[in-house]
Amino acid sequence: KQEVTQIPAALSVPEGENLVLNCSFTDSAIYNLQWFRQDPGKGLTSLLLIQSSQREQTSGRLNASLDKSSGRSTLYIAASQPGDSATYLCAVTLGSARQLTFGSGTQLTVLP
Amino acid sequence: DGGITQSPKYLFRKEGQNVTLSCEQNLNHDAMYWYRQDPGQGLRLIYYSQIVNDFQKGDIAEGYSVSREKKESFPLTVTSAQKNPTAFYLCATSTWGQETQYFGPGTRLLVL
Repeated sequence: KQEVTQIPAALSVPEGENLVLNCSFTDSAIYNLQWFRQDPGKGLTSLLLIQSSQREQTSGRLNASLDKSSGRSTLYIAASQPGDSATYLCAVTLGSARQLTFGSGTQLTVLP
Repeated sequence: DGGITQSPKYLFRKEGQNVTLSCEQNLNHDAMYWYRQDPGQGLRLIYYSQIVNDFQKGDIAEGYSVSREKKESFPLTVTSAQKNPTAFYLCATSTWGQETQYFGPGTRLLVL
């Protein structure tokens, strides 16, 4: 069964710092991997989606990489801002059923 | 958020009571999903439906039931058989050809 792990569970950084969030998965036969953002008590917002054939995706200050063979993905946030404070979740899709398996998330706090 | 509405925002359940959570979408998406989120954890799939009048169990379907009589609606009933229902419930939708899932704002269920 696919398991998704995110380390660290929580991270606190000063404003302006570049940071990396990690995601690992046990079954490399994924269809795609997504990174989501969740604000407290809210739903999820999709940030980046990487297809299994891709190595990375970029959106503004965010860059996500995917290494299927090692079962790892990273989310790089450049020049962090207090508004980036949220929980970041990664999720993988196996096959074409579009069922997502989520990690438990990294709670990020960016201090002004 | 956006075209996905979940109601109510907070719901209180008494012992032995069935309660129903509403999820409505105007995105014309084919697939709809229900997830449960416990504190500090990722999302776990309860049920999903890819077309009207058809749905499948997810990883934690016991104690829950759903219906999909209309494309726009996918209500979730938390039955008295669910002994630990306190959680944050999220509804999501997706459409064929787009792997991203779009999430509603969530319903928090509490037990009195």
